[in-house]
Amino acid sequence: GAGVSQSPSNKVTEKGKDVELRCDPISGHTALYWYRQSLGQGLEFLIYFQGNSAPDKSGLPSDRFSAERTGGSVSTLTIQRTQQEDSAVYLCASSPGIQYYEQYFGPGTRLTVT
Amino acid sequence: DQQVKQNSPSLSVQEGRISILNCDYTNSMFDYFLWYKKYPAEGPTFLISISSIKDKNEDGRFTVFLNKSAKHLSLHIVPSQPGDSAVYFCAASAYNYKYIFGTGTRLKVLA
Repeated sequence: GAGVSQSPSNKVTEKGKDVELRCDPISGHTALYWYRQSLGQGLEFLIYFQGNSAPDKSGLPSDRFSAERTGGSVSTLTIQRTQQEDSAVYLCASSPGIQYYEQYFGPGTRLTVT
Repeated sequence: DQQVKQNSPSLSVQEGRISILNCDYTNSMFDYFLWYKKYPAEGPTFLISISSIKDKNEDGRFTVFLNKSAKHLSLHIVPSQPGDSAVYFCAASAYNYKYIFGTGTRLKVLA
C-alpha cells in the first residue's frame, strides 16, 4: 500500500519568502506528526495532529511556523518569511492513532533558504 | 539540552560480525524507546522498540537492551550485513506521543 508522501522533495527559496510543505499520510491514519532535521542534529518534534486538531504546537520554533490539516488527511506546514536557519529536512510521519508508538515516516522535504 | 544522545557519529563493522549501537538518555521519565533506520533520501523506518518494563527485546538479527539504572540502551545486530548500512536513530518518549530523537549513528558494514 501507499506510504506517507511529501511534496516537494526539494525546495530552494529566498530569504523572506513563504513556503508550503505538504504531507499525505497513510490512508486511515488519524495521527500526523511534523519533525525537522537540521544538519548534524536529531529529529526535532514540531507539531502533531489527532484528526484535524493540533493539541500540541509546542515544538513550533516561532510564530512564522504554522500547520493545518483538513479532512483528517493532508497536512500543510507553512513557514512565513523564511530565514536561513529554517534550512533543514522537514519530515512528516503518521500513525493509526497517538496510542501507537510506531510512526511511519515520509521521505522528507529538503528546504534550502538562500 | 540533548536528552537523548548518540555519542558515536559513525561505526564500521565487518560483514558477519556484531554491530553495537549505543544511546544514552537523561530523562528518567522516559518509558518507551525505539530504534529507527534511515537510508539516504528516505524517511526513517521503524526497526525495534522496548518498553521500560523490559530489559531486552529481540527480533531476528536485532536485539535492543535497556539498562535503566545507567540510562543506556543499545542495539545489537548479529550478524551484520551490508544492507544494514544506514543511519540509526534512537528515540524515547515519556508516556506520550512526543519522541525525542538522538542525532544518529552512521553504520557501515564492510563486505
